[in-house]
Amino acid sequence: EVQLVESGGGLVKPGGSLRLSCAASGFTFSSYRINWVRQAPGKGLEWVSSISKTSSYIYYADSVKGRFTVSRDNAKNSLYLQMNSLRAEDTAVYFCAMGSTNYDFFDIWGQGTMVTVSS
Amino acid sequence: QSVLTQPPSASGTPGQRVTISCSGSSPGGYSISWYQQFPGAAPKLLIYNYSQRPSGVPDRFSGSKSGTSVSLAISGLQSEDEADYYCSVWDDSLNGPVFGGGTKLTVL
Repeated sequence: EVQLVESGGGLVKPGGSLRLSCAASGFTFSSYRINWVRQAPGKGLEWVSSISKTSSYIYYADSVKGRFTVSRDNAKNSLYLQMNSLRAEDTAVYFCAMGSTNYDFFDIWGQGTMVTVSS
Repeated sequence: QSVLTQPPSASGTPGQRVTISCSGSSPGGYSISWYQQFPGAAPKLLIYNYSQRPSGVPDRFSGSKSGTSVSLAISGLQSEDEADYYCSVWDDSLNGPVFGGGTKLTVL
């Protein structure tokens, strides 16, 4: 079964750091570009970052640029999101997501992990 | 950067046909996709390339594009269709997707 499973969410104080993970299974992880998408409580979806198959190309939304770092370990079938200098507005459910046929739409999503930034 | 606009809410009664619009630009010529999301769950791809349905999506769900107008239609509305619906388009300036604000569908 094709699956993405996020972990690492939790409660962190403003200015703190957190590292999210996304474990992939059931497909050849190294063959796909993969993304982070977040959703603040009661709000819509916001794309956060994407990373190419070999990590050669990495992109971020302006809202997280300079604070978040995406990486992947193809040997471990895992995606990561290092989040530094966290703000209250980063509070959201973070999903990893990917397109298995095209990169411009996402047919595979994880269940999400909740990040709460609060003092 | 692309901006997609959806009505915040839509409603219908069981058996009715409901449409949700998605207006905006797609400078890169990419096509619109639609996602369905239930509370507490991950989004699910419903429609891609304006009108294509992934395997397993009932044919009650259809997408269309006419001129500059893009919409999602749900026919034979069922109570289990009550969810949030998002349109999305890839944006080359972001190298990521832009999502519409979402439409909350209520089945009366």
